[in-house]
Amino acid sequence: GAVVSQHPSRVICKSGTSVKIECRSLDFQATTMFWYRQFPKQSLMLMATSNEGSKATYEQGVEKDKFLINHASLTLSTLTVTSAHPEDSSFYICSARSGLTKNIQYFGAGTRLSVL
Amino acid sequence: DAKTTQPTSMDCAEGRAANLPCNHSTISGNEYVYWYRQIHSQGPQYIIHGLKNNETNEMASLIITEDRKSSTLILPHATLRDTAVYYCIVRLFGGSQGNLIFGKGTKLSVKP
Repeated sequence: GAVVSQHPSRVICKSGTSVKIECRSLDFQATTMFWYRQFPKQSLMLMATSNEGSKATYEQGVEKDKFLINHASLTLSTLTVTSAHPEDSSFYICSARSGLTKNIQYFGAGTRLSVL
Repeated sequence: DAKTTQPTSMDCAEGRAANLPCNHSTISGNEYVYWYRQIHSQGPQYIIHGLKNNETNEMASLIITEDRKSSTLILPHATLRDTAVYYCIVRLFGGSQGNLIFGKGTKLSVKP
């Protein structure tokens, strides 16, 4: 299957700082990328969908000014958690797909964010 | 996207076949059935998908009933590394619409 790389795998930061997470499609150009969040013992929750060169579409209840998404190229999307607080601590997972993957979504390994 | 219902948990003996059921009684004619799994603290892994015919790949087989209201994922020879949460998801295929919406899935425990 296609490979989606996510970095960093784990980050610990102080409350009030911003954190950037990168998501790259390594062997295909991703027309659409997704960001999910997963709290302990819960399922994945879709946060936003982004198409290359367009503004991201956020799910209801997700603050677009807090979770900044940039999909500047067909192989890179970034999620920036601005002014992070302890309640933002979670497992963030990106996903990508395109016609080249027969529209199958492939996922990164996830980023564990801990805000102190 | 149609909703799915899966058992909360299942056990399977190592080396035996694991049969994971999924109900999707409200599936529409152009929606596919996808299966993913998530091993602890990792991102979901694509397993297989299908429309109405049975499908097989190197990981698993997917059996879809004739009325398409339910399906079964079969891991033919389960190993300890197959212990994971398995998600059954239905969505449109091939279009720009339709995201993967995850339910609670089935926690499969493969035991020695």
